[in-house]
Amino acid sequence: SQTIHQWPATLVQPVGSPLSLECTVEGTSNPNLYWYRQAAGRGLQLLFYSVGIGQISSEVPQNLSASRPQDRQFILSSKKLLLSDSGFYLCANGGSYNEQFFGPGTRLTVL
Amino acid sequence: DAKTTQPNSMESNEEEPVHLPCNHSTISGTDYIHWYRQLPSQGPEYVIHGLTSNVNNRMASLAIAEDRKSSTLILHRATLRDAAVYYCILRDWGSGANNLFFGTGTRLTVIP
Repeated sequence: SQTIHQWPATLVQPVGSPLSLECTVEGTSNPNLYWYRQAAGRGLQLLFYSVGIGQISSEVPQNLSASRPQDRQFILSSKKLLLSDSGFYLCANGGSYNEQFFGPGTRLTVL
Repeated sequence: DAKTTQPNSMESNEEEPVHLPCNHSTISGTDYIHWYRQLPSQGPEYVIHGLTSNVNNRMASLAIAEDRKSSTLILHRATLRDAAVYYCILRDWGSGANNLFFGTGTRLTVIP
């Protein structure tokens, strides 16, 4: 079975600082990978998805970027964080139409 | 992906069945109905999905209306661990990215 790792689990960063969140997947190859953000009390918003190494699609214009340097690695980054970047960031893998598997998430607080 | 409508919250007594409704009146012929749930401070967890026929698995049952414009997730015997936000999502099997649109879901409270 597949496992999705995310780190760190929690992060507190000042406004204007850089960000790097990492997601790695075990137990599957050539996954479709996704970054979602969930603001407090809200549903999930899709930020980026990737169907392969170096292939990134962005769903919404924003202060964030994503990269896929390896098949099972997906990174979410920012050069300068905004207060509005606070939220619960989730990495997911979806290889078919059946279901998506989510990682444990990273809770980011920007102060 | 088409939109779904769910009640904001529901309550159930422990060990009683729970019926979580979802309306999706604009569903297309190629939309699958998916249900996920999210426990506090965790990522969403897949529960069940279906197309036209009712579906059963170890977690729940999914009852789909004949016109497919609504569906109901059934937890046969609610436990305290079932307290979560339940999301009803439509997924077009023909879409390439396989991303899911999560609304605000139904927050299920299980009363001991």
